[in-house]
Amino acid sequence: AQRVTQPEKLLSVFKGAPVELKCNYSYSGSPELFWYVQYSRQRLQLLLRHISRESIKGFTADLNKGETSFHLKKPFAQEEDSAMYYCALGVGTGNQFYFGTGTSLTVIP
Amino acid sequence: GAGVSQSPSNKVTEKGKDVELRCDPISGHTALYWYRQSLGQGLEFLIYFQGNSAPDKSGLPSDRFSAERTGGSVSTLTIQRTQQEDSAVYLCASSQSKNIQYFGAGTRLSVL
Repeated sequence: AQRVTQPEKLLSVFKGAPVELKCNYSYSGSPELFWYVQYSRQRLQLLLRHISRESIKGFTADLNKGETSFHLKKPFAQEEDSAMYYCALGVGTGNQFYFGTGTSLTVIP
Repeated sequence: GAGVSQSPSNKVTEKGKDVELRCDPISGHTALYWYRQSLGQGLEFLIYFQGNSAPDKSGLPSDRFSAERTGGSVSTLTIQRTQQEDSAVYLCASSQSKNIQYFGAGTRLSVL
């Protein structure tokens, strides 16, 4: 079975502090991992995906197949980073997705 | 349109009534998804359409829930005999390639 786990429902950090949002997945095949973000009163949108190996808004995420993790990191949190973050697993060739339960990040000024 | 469009944006109904939620995906997107977003439950997959293939209905919580996608474009999610626990935000997303989903603004359903 496919499963995505985000162990923290709520996470608070001070502005300028490092932040890490945890995501672990369970999938026997070759996974595609994504982070989606939902800012207040905005639509859910893609933040980044592992195959791009890019940094978006200062965030990075590395796929660790040994630990089956795809943690989202940013060295210096900003107030505008406050949002709901969802980790997602794409499987197979059929565009099927599984989302975690989300982590609500609050950056304290 | 520029993005995925969902209507209505808000729906208040009485327990036991049927409701229909509409999703208009991005033109040309072959994949369409419905999710339910509830407090404390995150994003729950409901149903997935891919082109003309049979839909993946594995996420539908009960037989009161059904969805159609006509002509490979617009989709309707129907909830029959609504219950209070059906209250949530229902999100639609479409996708074409590279597994990137584009989400609508959602329909907030309140069952009184």
